[in-house]
Amino acid sequence: KAGVTQTPRYLIKTRGQQVTLSCSPISGHRSVSWYQQTPGQGLQFLFEYFSETQRNKGNFPGRFSGRQFSNSRSEMNVSTLELGDSALYLCASSLAGTGDTDTQYFGPGTRLTVL
Amino acid sequence: GQSLEQPSEVTAVEGAIVQINCTYQTSGFYGLSWYQQHDGGAPTFLSYNGLDGLEETGRFSSFLSRSDSYGYLLLQELQMKDSASYFCAVRLPSGGSYIPTFGRGTSLIVHP
Repeated sequence: KAGVTQTPRYLIKTRGQQVTLSCSPISGHRSVSWYQQTPGQGLQFLFEYFSETQRNKGNFPGRFSGRQFSNSRSEMNVSTLELGDSALYLCASSLAGTGDTDTQYFGPGTRLTVL
Repeated sequence: GQSLEQPSEVTAVEGAIVQINCTYQTSGFYGLSWYQQHDGGAPTFLSYNGLDGLEETGRFSSFLSRSDSYGYLLLQELQMKDSASYFCAVRLPSGGSYIPTFGRGTSLIVHP
């Protein structure tokens, strides 16, 4: 099975711009979660989608949004970029997102740099 | 509050055994997971403990004590390739749901 794929892998934007990141989960996985990883804050949960519905949301401002499509692919959008948004954005997929195992499979991430 | 604590760095030599501890504070509990992340790579799942006790997967074992809100990852017969960051993770209650929460990570440095 192919793993989780994320596009683009690298992105450079300037303050005030917006960005859309894409994630394709493992075939058959219906849950997609997004994380922001920075050296100072570690892995921070952004949101989780299951069957096109946002099931959970982390503590991030409304500039961060996402959606999931009927084929389970997901996108996240960040509007009005700030310097502090520079980070590695990771997408993870799982079969159902909850339950006993909660095994998440991570993609390679999108490295976003905001200038 | 609700949080996860793990050491920031651990060093060991090849062939040795190392234990990475994780303590958590939460009013709810959903199970403890461990992930490995090499520099420049994505986190990869190592193990999950939903119940008390030891789970063994090859050279890696993970332990959980729910009464002590404590778990650990045990790495045996260390190899250079084990040098990486290790994260413990739980689902913490938030707004009526449970959200995935990761510790800050433990950087394991394996010396020859």
